[in-house]
Amino acid sequence: GAVVSQHPSWVICKSGTSVKIECRSLDFQATTMFWYRQFPKQSLMLMATSNEGSKATYEQGVEKDKFLINHASLTLSTLTVTSAHPEDSSFYICSARDLTSGETDTQYFGPGTRLTVL
Amino acid sequence: GQNIDQPTEMTATEGAIVQINCTYQTSGFNGLFWYQQHAGEAPTFLSYNVLDGLEEKGRFSSFLSRSKGYSYLLLKELQMKDSASYLCACMDSNYQLIWGAGTKLIIKP
Repeated sequence: GAVVSQHPSWVICKSGTSVKIECRSLDFQATTMFWYRQFPKQSLMLMATSNEGSKATYEQGVEKDKFLINHASLTLSTLTVTSAHPEDSSFYICSARDLTSGETDTQYFGPGTRLTVL
Repeated sequence: GQNIDQPTEMTATEGAIVQINCTYQTSGFNGLFWYQQHAGEAPTFLSYNVLDGLEEKGRFSSFLSRSKGYSYLLLKELQMKDSASYLCACMDSNYQLIWGAGTKLIIKP
């Protein structure tokens, strides 16, 4: 089946630093990748939709200058949390759409990255 | 507005059967997904329904009624490892996933 990897799986950083999270589709090409954020005991919140070769589409309330998304290839999207602050601490999850899966427009999820900002 | 409703928490016994319901109201409909999420992990895909009826996959089955805006996930022969949150998500007319809050399933021996 379709496999999506994320790196790093967890990161601890100081307030004010920037953190880059990578999302890769390992065995399929993903023209669209999604970035989610999940707070403890809450559902997934879509942050942005990333399309290969074009600018990401951000959801309302998500600061595009703070959460930089780059989708440079069909297998890689990156999320950079710039000038991170403690309130950015969260579980960040990416997913990739596998359009070759037939009728199912299924999203396959990466394992997530747990970010802790001190 | 768009809304997905599912119970917050359910408890069942190992070896038994449990049904997790989901009702939805979305602007357009392009399918309903069920995902399983263990604590601290990302969701994993369980099922996809776009036509009315029952889809069976081993111990898990998913049912959809588009006219009623209703779906359920049926888990048979429950195992302790099935303890997790189960997320219902609908794909709207813009092919965006609208997520329910998830149902925490607790399995007791």
